[in-house]
Amino acid sequence: DTAVSQTPKYLVTQMGNDKSIKCEQNLGHDTMYWYKQDSKKFLKIMFSYNNKELIINETVPNRFSPKSPDKAHLNLHINSLELGDSAVYFCASSQGGLVIYEQYFGPGTRLTVT
Amino acid sequence: AQSVAQPEDQVNVAEGNPLTVKCTYSVSGNPYLFWYVQYPNRGLQFLLKYITGDNLVKGSYGFEAEFNKSQTSFHLKKPSALVSDSALYFCAVRTENSGYSTLTFGKGTMLLVSP
Repeated sequence: DTAVSQTPKYLVTQMGNDKSIKCEQNLGHDTMYWYKQDSKKFLKIMFSYNNKELIINETVPNRFSPKSPDKAHLNLHINSLELGDSAVYFCASSQGGLVIYEQYFGPGTRLTVT
Repeated sequence: AQSVAQPEDQVNVAEGNPLTVKCTYSVSGNPYLFWYVQYPNRGLQFLLKYITGDNLVKGSYGFEAEFNKSQTSFHLKKPSALVSDSALYFCAVRTENSGYSTLTFGKGTMLLVSP
């Protein structure tokens, strides 16, 4: 059973389009994250949700809008896609709070904007 | 601000030899440190973490890491490298944000193990 899954795995689209990436976890975790990994493999957190509430928003452009319909799902919608949005987007989950639990990552979605 | 640094972009080692991937940290307060591995076209996988206690932490796939407070380091080690260990390795530190924990990652170190 896949612990953290993302769809689609690959996404190729043109500038100006709107696209969504979906994430689901079956680990029973209460906290989910979106990370962006750029072409140099640098990994940076974008958002975090705890129990469907946004708790971290790391100065990401407003074109990016996360939505968490329930604790097991965290989707990422991107409006007006730009060339610089091309990257691999990873979803992750963990138990939240200040206790130090490891995060479990999905396989990633490679977004290419042409 | 909490941060980690991985000084090497790439580490090359022959199969069967010991390997070390370096990480240094800069934190205020107690450091909570992690190592993750990323195989090609895959997500990150947790290897091990240091929270408190023994300075030598054992993790998955035969990896271990040594926490050194005086040198502010948390180097990843393995006594005998395998070709299948070739991957991208990330060091990370816990960062507190809005009362919750998240991770700040280093830039990654590519490990190449030759046969």
